[in-house]
Amino acid sequence: QKEVEQDPGPLSVPEGAIVSLNCTYSNSAFQYFMWYRQYSRKGPELLMYTYSSGNKEDGRFTAQVDKSSKYISLFIRDSQPSDSATYLCAPLGTSYDKVIFGPGTSLSVIP
Amino acid sequence: DGGITQSPKYLFRKEGQNVTLSCEQNLNHDAMYWYRQDPGQGLRLIYYSQIVNDFQKGDIAEGYSVSREKKESFPLTVTSAQKNPTAFYLCASSPGGRGREQYFGPGTRLTVT
Repeated sequence: QKEVEQDPGPLSVPEGAIVSLNCTYSNSAFQYFMWYRQYSRKGPELLMYTYSSGNKEDGRFTAQVDKSSKYISLFIRDSQPSDSATYLCAPLGTSYDKVIFGPGTSLSVIP
Repeated sequence: DGGITQSPKYLFRKEGQNVTLSCEQNLNHDAMYWYRQDPGQGLRLIYYSQIVNDFQKGDIAEGYSVSREKKESFPLTVTSAQKNPTAFYLCASSPGGRGREQYFGPGTRLTVT
């Protein structure tokens, strides 16, 4: 079993839709959970991170962590064409701050 | 502007040649990282450095080497021992040892034929 798994997509939604991106992980020791956005042929950029279980909101983005089921979600409200990118979930391990990156989910928001 | 620069954006080499990828940051970050990204796979850690003159191997260090002589610079050398060097290489940095706040450069796409 891979440490971090994501549905690769592609996920295609109309502009204005609510998007749900999901990620599962296997290591119960993970404490921090990051979401990165990566545009084609660019470096990833950090969207937000959460600590332990719970929700965190930042503008149109909400990150949700359920440690009991090892399940991470990122919700995007009022999606825009500029949100079209690959989204990487990335839990943080406990040894030497090693981040484990998921393979990413490709999102396309259609105008 | 503060940030991380990687050069060149595209790099082509013949098999058997060593090649060095540049990574520079002016964010005053202590930690720097090198990742490799292949299609359909997550980023994989090659090497990381938390302070000057010190670095550790990541998950896929074989065939790669690094140096950290200055806080701002963390060059990666892809040696001829690396079996499948063609990939997208990403450099990142983070303040202190806070790996949760990694800032990435634009990447270098290396093609070896």
